[in-house]
Amino acid sequence: DAEITQSPRHKITETGRQVTLACHQTWNHNNMFWYRQDLGHGLRLIHYSYGVQDTNKGEVSDGYSVSRSNTEDLPLTLESAASSQTSVYFCASSTSTENTGELFFGEGSRLTVL
Amino acid sequence: AQSVTQLDSHVSVSEGTPVLLRCNYSSSYSPSLFWYVQHPNKGLQLLLKYTSAATLVKGINGFEAEFKKSETSFHLTKPSAHMSDAAEYFCVVSEAYNFNKFYFGSGTKLNVKP
Repeated sequence: DAEITQSPRHKITETGRQVTLACHQTWNHNNMFWYRQDLGHGLRLIHYSYGVQDTNKGEVSDGYSVSRSNTEDLPLTLESAASSQTSVYFCASSTSTENTGELFFGEGSRLTVL
Repeated sequence: AQSVTQLDSHVSVSEGTPVLLRCNYSSSYSPSLFWYVQHPNKGLQLLLKYTSAATLVKGINGFEAEFKKSETSFHLTKPSAHMSDAAEYFCVVSEAYNFNKFYFGSGTKLNVKP
């Protein structure tokens, strides 16, 4: 079965370190998204991509970057981790070939920045 | 611009009683509408979706939602709550002519009492 996997599922790091969260999907979807989920804020869009070599900023992109070198992967990088980036991160994908396409989510990556 | 309002942040029901989770949206065009469920420490799972076909949509686990254009609502219902329904529920809208963009409600936590 097709799926979307995130790694690591849990990560503890220190302020100032670079962190990369991996996202891999086997749906062959063109669209991929990164969200963060925090109490009181729901899900907020960080970055998204509509295809290979395409990346776009979401509403909370400061301090984050993504790259899309193939269809399957959209890694999220925190250049210099800050305590405010402690959160649960969700990767999602969707098809662009139909206007009824829903989002498929990974299980999430819980990041703690000390 | 699109927006989604979930009218209750918390809903508490007794097992075996009906569930009603409310969602209102604003949309410039005919939207696609989704309900997702998130169990603790899990990703978001699609419950059901409306895509301009039948206005009453049936989903998994006995959930239904009715699209009411005149009221701009898409409320989620279930005739009889089960303990396993305790989770957080998100209403999501995507634009009909830009179905790569998704807008999230802030979520409703459903508590089911024995």
